[in-house]
Amino acid sequence: GDSVTQTEGLVTLTEGLPVMLNCTYQSTYSPFLFWYVQHLNEAPKLLLKSFTDNKRPEHQGFHATLHKSSSSFHLQKSSAQLSDSALYYCALRYTGANTGKLTFGHGTILRVHP
Amino acid sequence: NSKVIQTPRYLVKGQGQKAKMRCIPEKGHPVVFWYQQNKNNEFKFLINFQNQEVLQQIDMTEKRFSAECPSNSPCSLEIQSSEAGDSALYLCASSLSRHAETLYFGSGTRLTVL
Repeated sequence: GDSVTQTEGLVTLTEGLPVMLNCTYQSTYSPFLFWYVQHLNEAPKLLLKSFTDNKRPEHQGFHATLHKSSSSFHLQKSSAQLSDSALYYCALRYTGANTGKLTFGHGTILRVHP
Repeated sequence: NSKVIQTPRYLVKGQGQKAKMRCIPEKGHPVVFWYQQNKNNEFKFLINFQNQEVLQQIDMTEKRFSAECPSNSPCSLEIQSSEAGDSALYLCASSLSRHAETLYFGSGTRLTVL
């Protein structure tokens, strides 16, 4: 079956250091990958979405590259900010004629301290 | 701010009681999802609709949970007989289609079953 693995439950960083949150997936078909971010007491919001043409999506300083060979879509940022502290979910979804269900990883809490 | 509106924000029920929550999807979005986010922040897919038609639902939903998305009325998710293990944040999301479009989430209904 389809699955998304986020190996880290909690990542703690000092402000200004680079961020990398891991995401690998297992899928029968070639899916789209997403990163969603959820700040405390807020709704999850889309951060990034993979493209079909191998472009690297970027938003708010974050970027992620879909590597089909390693089934990975790691989230990266060159310099962490205090406001980046949140819960980050990697997720996958198919493009084909199916129900469109989004399968989420277990999430990674990112804590950025001064 | 989220354009998917969920009510109530908080819901407290005793075991065995019915618990009903509502969702107004973003305007023009025919596909609606319900997810349960547990205390470990894990997402569990419950059910999704395209217009009034159920696309997919899990076993739990088929037995104690009921959901509908009537035309011209809010979507709803109802637990017929609440159990302590149902305590969670119930998130509604909508999208333009079932084909890899972004999901837009509401802020959720936090259910506590005493």
